[in-house]
Amino acid sequence: SYELTQPPSVSVSPGQTARITCSGDALPKKYAYWYQQKSGQAPVLVIYEGSKRPSGIPERFSGSSSGTMATLTISGAQVEDEADYYCYSTDSSEGLFGGGTKLTVL
Amino acid sequence: EVQLVESGGGLVKPGGSLRLSCAASGFTFSSYTMNWVRQAPGKGLAWVSSISTLSTHIYYADSVKGRFTISRDNAKNSLYLQMDSLKPEDTAVYYCARTHSQDYWGQGTLVTVSS
Repeated sequence: SYELTQPPSVSVSPGQTARITCSGDALPKKYAYWYQQKSGQAPVLVIYEGSKRPSGIPERFSGSSSGTMATLTISGAQVEDEADYYCYSTDSSEGLFGGGTKLTVL
Repeated sequence: EVQLVESGGGLVKPGGSLRLSCAASGFTFSSYTMNWVRQAPGKGLAWVSSISTLSTHIYYADSVKGRFTISRDNAKNSLYLQMDSLKPEDTAVYYCARTHSQDYWGQGTLVTVSS
């Protein structure tokens, strides 16, 4: 069955660049979406259609894709960016989330 | 302001039923595909179901197919999830989310399936 694979954790110091990857066989044909979820809160969309940023999302968040891998990049990560991040895509008409990546900024 | 408010969660015994609702406001509800997504305690997000604007296209995750039914009432700006034959593994916070990109989410409603 189709899967989206993320690293369980990524750790950076404040001001460094954080990169979170998401691999999946359908990603060359399907967009990736990225969500940020802070503890006890609902998820927030931070990147849609692979590389687009919703209004209100800081410019330090960017998305890219190459082959079977999508990447969320946080340039100059801030302490407030510490959260769980999930990639999402579709397989046929069904949705699928990656397992999530815990980003630690300290 | 876009708002999505879920309700209907609670404690139910295995094999029981529950109906979740999601009240939408701040946008033209009838113009958007809607989704249900769940999150088991301490676990990641899991897509559950999607419904198109006129209810003509409906999709379910394999884990709920045949037990859950998604529906909507565009006149009432509401989304529903009828959950039957509930199992302990259905225990989760259930979120409704707008459109295929899931650009707005509600705060979720907790469903606990336990004897």
